[in-house]
Amino acid sequence: SQTIHQWPATLVQPVGSPLSLECTVEGTSNPNLYWYRQAAGRGLQLLFYSVGIGQISSEVPQNLSASRPQDRQFILSSKKLLLSDSGFYLCAWGDQIMYITEAFFGQGTRLTVV
Amino acid sequence: ILNVEQSPQSLHVQEGDSTNFTCSFPSSNFYALHWYRWETAKSPEALFVMTLNGDEKKKGRISATLNTKEGYSYLYIKGSQPEDSATYLCAFCRAANDMRFGAGTRLTVKP
Repeated sequence: SQTIHQWPATLVQPVGSPLSLECTVEGTSNPNLYWYRQAAGRGLQLLFYSVGIGQISSEVPQNLSASRPQDRQFILSSKKLLLSDSGFYLCAWGDQIMYITEAFFGQGTRLTVV
Repeated sequence: ILNVEQSPQSLHVQEGDSTNFTCSFPSSNFYALHWYRWETAKSPEALFVMTLNGDEKKKGRISATLNTKEGYSYLYIKGSQPEDSATYLCAFCRAANDMRFGAGTRLTVKP
């Protein structure tokens, strides 16, 4: 069966520090991968999605970046965190024919930038 | 800007009440509409994936309808129970790989 792992679960980082959140999927190949963020009191905002290795689509201009070095690995990074980067980050995966099947989510990372 | 709107933002009901929420989305470039339930401290879980205008889906006491021509979907919960308390998210797929979420409706069911 397919599983998705996301870590760390919580993170407190100072302003200006780097960030690396990792997401891996098991039990499937060539998945679509997504990074979402939920800011306080708001819904899920799509940050990045990837349909294959090295293929990243960015939705919101910001100081975050994403990479997909392997088929089932998706990394969210920042060189210098801002206070506004605080939030709850969710990784998700879906089949290549995404729109007719559900998405599956990781457990999320609560990031607090201080 | 792609707007997926959900209303109401929050809802408090008594156990046994029936309730419904709305998801509005652009009526062009429609691929699918998803509904998810997101309980506190858990990951969002899919309730329904709907692709055809006029679709109606049901899972236990929860059901959903879809109108792609006018760009809305309704989620209904019959006889709400405290365990139904969660945030209900809809997601609009405007392309095969592009899924955008609304802000959600937070439901609280009081015993």
